[in-house]
Amino acid sequence: GAGVSQSPSNKVTEKGKDVELRCDPISGHTALYWYRQRLGQGLEFLIYFQGNSAPDKSGLPSDRFSAERTGESVSTLTIQRTQQEDSAVYLCASSLESGGSYEQYFGPGTRLTVT
Amino acid sequence: AQKVTQAQTEISVVEKEDVTLDCVYETRDTTYYLFWYKQPPSGELVFLIRRNSFDEQNEISGRYSWNFQKSTSSFNFTITASQVVDSAVYFCARGGAGTYKYIFGTGTRLKVLA
Repeated sequence: GAGVSQSPSNKVTEKGKDVELRCDPISGHTALYWYRQRLGQGLEFLIYFQGNSAPDKSGLPSDRFSAERTGESVSTLTIQRTQQEDSAVYLCASSLESGGSYEQYFGPGTRLTVT
Repeated sequence: AQKVTQAQTEISVVEKEDVTLDCVYETRDTTYYLFWYKQPPSGELVFLIRRNSFDEQNEISGRYSWNFQKSTSSFNFTITASQVVDSAVYFCARGGAGTYKYIFGTGTRLKVLA
């Protein structure tokens, strides 16, 4: 009965380095979402997966951001050449199916700080 | 863009007071879904409720109640007899029938003071 898990919980990195953020969705959930939440702000949609494919990557802020999902399970969000404006909490969510009727279940997030 | 507006940025109440969090949405869809999430200081968003556009019946769950009014495109959330543990940021969101994407409001920070 595990929920969505994310790792690491906190990541501090130097500007220019690459980082990988991991998300383990709820077992059996086919849809997976990544959001970014800057301090005191709302949720910014980044990308969503249905199965292993990502039909919509339009929310990714730049080509430094990429994501993949394997085995209809784990997803990795990669940020290359990190910038200070990338500092935020990155939230992952999963839902049973994609579609606006399904509630999304969120992980605890990864707090990324770029120094 | 079809927005979700939470006009109240921050609300402070004293414990045991009732408080209502407002949510107004825009949509051109006839079928849509509305959600409320709670984000406590720990950071993890917790799903509270989902309503579909065909069901305007208000819902009560313990101290929580939701008032869905299609005529005013609102889906307000009331906490009765608030407690310190209710302190959190609350997000309203809308999903569409033909889309996977949620539109989130900017959130309302609720502070319940002892």
